[in-house]
Amino acid sequence: EAGVVQSPRYKIIEKKQPVAFWCNPISGHNTLYWYLQNLGQGPELLIRYENEEAVDDSQLPKDRFSAERLKGVDSTLKIQPAELGDSAVYLCASSSSDLARGEQYFGPGTRLTVT
Amino acid sequence: LAKTTQPISMDSYEGQEVNITCSHNNIATNDYITWYQQFPSQGPRFIIQGYKTKVTNEVASLFIPADRKSSTLSLPRVSLSDTAVYYCLVGEGNFNKFYFGSGTKLNVKP
Repeated sequence: EAGVVQSPRYKIIEKKQPVAFWCNPISGHNTLYWYLQNLGQGPELLIRYENEEAVDDSQLPKDRFSAERLKGVDSTLKIQPAELGDSAVYLCASSSSDLARGEQYFGPGTRLTVT
Repeated sequence: LAKTTQPISMDSYEGQEVNITCSHNNIATNDYITWYQQFPSQGPRFIIQGYKTKVTNEVASLFIPADRKSSTLSLPRVSLSDTAVYYCLVGEGNFNKFYFGSGTKLNVKP
């Protein structure tokens, strides 16, 4: 079974440029999460989807960040414009009600460097 | 949102048993305790979850005392490949939101 797929794995952009990250969750997982992870810190939740509905986006900086999961499967996270402080690893995770509570499957992440 | 406290780092040697303790004084009645493992350049990986007493799987054991204000992840006979960051999480009953914290960096030496 394929795991959570993310692309690109690495991205380097200049500040004020836009950037997008893509995530394809495990087949059948209806819940999708986007996290941000700074160096030496644990992941921080940005947004959670239940199917195509964003049910928790309270931590998403909506002035520059946006996300979508149009068909309830894959998802895109966008930053526009990027700032130096956005340099981090962006992780996507998915889960299913069939799994243990709190059991999420994470992708490898996209490492973003803003110069 | 219950937060957790873990040691920043721990050292061990191959073949030893490692116990990582996590404090979660504000755990709520319906909270579960979950541990994740993260290797460099990878996303976190679910290890084990429990509510009370002891849970064991093929990877680890989780010990939770009666007051549930702490928990201990036990890794039997660690190897070099167990070098990673271990996160203790306490989630709301439906685990839709929980706090990872900074984790414990375990360094296993030969």
